[in-house]
Amino acid sequence: DAKTTQPPSMDCAEGRAANLPCNHSTISGNEYVYWYRQIHSQGPQYIIHGLKNNETNEMASLIITEDRKSSTLILPHATLRDTAVYYCIVRVYGGYQKVTFGIGTKLQVIP
Amino acid sequence: DTGVSQNPRHKITKRGQNVTFRCDPISEHNRLYWYRQTLGQGPEFLTYFQNEAQLEKSRLLSDRFSAERPKGSFSTLEIQRTEQGDSAMYLCASSQLAGDDNEQFFGPGTRLTVL
Repeated sequence: DAKTTQPPSMDCAEGRAANLPCNHSTISGNEYVYWYRQIHSQGPQYIIHGLKNNETNEMASLIITEDRKSSTLILPHATLRDTAVYYCIVRVYGGYQKVTFGIGTKLQVIP
Repeated sequence: DTGVSQNPRHKITKRGQNVTFRCDPISEHNRLYWYRQTLGQGPEFLTYFQNEAQLEKSRLLSDRFSAERPKGSFSTLEIQRTEQGDSAMYLCASSQLAGDDNEQFFGPGTRLTVL
């Protein structure tokens, strides 16, 4: 799996958009960008994934640059419950794939 | 709740004791994974089952660790002769075999403390 680089921590004011960056300059053509989050004392939770087009679901939006070397996860209106560690991962879509997690970004949503 | 369940949620043991954790995956999921997570780190892959077959083991899985999935449903992870370095959160995840994606659903984890 390609490696990713994320800032170790970020703060965001409640109600504002949280923009979490991720660099993945060695991503391969068949690798997707996945985002998970882990709320304290819980298992990781899938958020969203994409290949090259921007994606949106009920939880977040994923913006992938045209060269696919970086991406941004956007939580449009952060709440206190969004305080968590966010992991950016790149891997092949489908089939068996163990997930290789890094350290992630600790997002603190501030009241 | 039809999510992944793990038992126990917390386990405290003395060094040298054996411990066993159980994971019940989502019922239609054929793939099952075990991960270990230490404080401040992301989860690390330990082992993978497809149905009852253990298809991959990480180098992290020393000979004191053994995982089973006897009937292709629930799985157990046993640690023999526990050491203080085994203290961690042990996470189980499951995913479907068929279909285009293999999105993994994680359980809440078992937190092990070795005294």
